[in-house]
Amino acid sequence: EAQLLESGGGLVQPGGSLRLSCAASGFTFSSYAMSWVRQAPGKGLEWVSGISSGGGTADFAGSVKGRFTISRDNSKNTLYLQMNSLRAEDTAVYYCAKSPESYHYYGMDVWGQGTTVTVSS
Amino acid sequence: QTVVTQEPSFSVSPGGTVTLTCALRSGSVSTSHYPSWFQQTPGQSPRTLIYNTNTRSSGVPDRFSGSILGNKAALTITGAQADDESDYYCVLYMGSGIELFGGGTKLTVL
Repeated sequence: EAQLLESGGGLVQPGGSLRLSCAASGFTFSSYAMSWVRQAPGKGLEWVSGISSGGGTADFAGSVKGRFTISRDNSKNTLYLQMNSLRAEDTAVYYCAKSPESYHYYGMDVWGQGTTVTVSS
Repeated sequence: QTVVTQEPSFSVSPGGTVTLTCALRSGSVSTSHYPSWFQQTPGQSPRTLIYNTNTRSSGVPDRFSGSILGNKAALTITGAQADDESDYYCVLYMGSGIELFGGGTKLTVL
């Protein structure tokens, strides 16, 4: 059974940085694209970033472009999200999600349990 | 500005059928948007119901189906049950690597 486990969330001051990790198991990680999706308190889902199976293509929502970086280590079955210059509006639960294909355009078929990021002074 | 629109709320009777839609503020939704549908209950992670327009995710009962209806993506739930009461989200691929979620539909079963 495919499983995703996020970690790395926490409280950070505005302007600070945080790196989220997502450990994958139960499927061939290197064959599938991955995405990060977030949900602010009481709000809907927002796609943040996606990366192709081999890591060669990475895309970002306009709200995080230039501040966030996505990467993956297929030898460690792990996805990362490096978040810099954090703002209060980045406060959310961050979910890691697997795509059913090698590019993230096809949506998500497996989700992690989420990790909470709070940006506050 | 909400580019991807969903009904804010919908209600269905137990045993009934409901169709939720996912539209673009301007333009038509097609299979090239690879629409997906997700169910989320409060405090839980989203659960994928449908991806790539009409492919049911593993373990999802065939009461849930996806399609393109006219110029919108659609999620149809037949034989509605009490535990179908959830928030439902769609996501569309907008091109240039960008995906956009709709605002979600709160489904009530009563």
